Amino acid sequence: GESVGLHLPTLSVQEGDNSIINCAYSNSASDYFIWYKQESGKGPQFIIDIRSNMDKRQGQRVTVLLNKTVKHLSLQIAATQPGDSAVYFCAENIEGDAGNMLTFGGGTRLMVKP
Amino acid sequence: NAGVMQNPRHLVRRRGQEARLRCSPMKGHSHVYWYRQLPEEGLKFMVYLQKENIIDESGMPKERFSAEFPKEGPSILRIQQVVRGDSAAYFCASSPDRGPQHFGDGTRLSIL
Repeated sequence: GESVGLHLPTLSVQEGDNSIINCAYSNSASDYFIWYKQESGKGPQFIIDIRSNMDKRQGQRVTVLLNKTVKHLSLQIAATQPGDSAVYFCAENIEGDAGNMLTFGGGTRLMVKP
Repeated sequence: NAGVMQNPRHLVRRRGQEARLRCSPMKGHSHVYWYRQLPEEGLKFMVYLQKENIIDESGMPKERFSAEFPKEGPSILRIQQVVRGDSAAYFCASSPDRGPQHFGDGTRLSIL
């Protein structure tokens, strides 16, 4: 289940189960969203993105859902594997904004039990 | 096709020294971004550059920090007169125009 750790919320799942990681974003003007995976000692790795004119997008084993009404984003990972263990961040952006900066959420640690 | 390259991976400096962090973007990417990350936190935007231009430096401290992306060579993030609070991981990302940003593996800066 989901628990709040000292700094990062942690989601523990059994290998083979599906994982759902949630993110509440802050800016209603944001129109582009990205999920990143960060392993220890490494940089964020792009997983999947979605624009605000869509509410669902699927990749390989991953699905991103966007609910603009409540400013909520989720990442679903099917058949979670030990290699999926990492910290997951959502990031938002306003594509028409000259600044083009990403605003990151606080992150969720996913732990996959074999 | 090499990804974003950052060096050094680890940098140790004493208080008052200068730190220079380098970033080579992915081939074909003309947009470079610098972010800072403290342990157990998300990344915080610092600066966005294109070749020879700073586009947005709204996340950069006003003093001691500077960034450049010259016509030739890597982007440089420079921190002068470092203090203990500058200890963090600094990540560089690059993108092709408005595409997704791809990150390097960062430079971990430690201040003694």
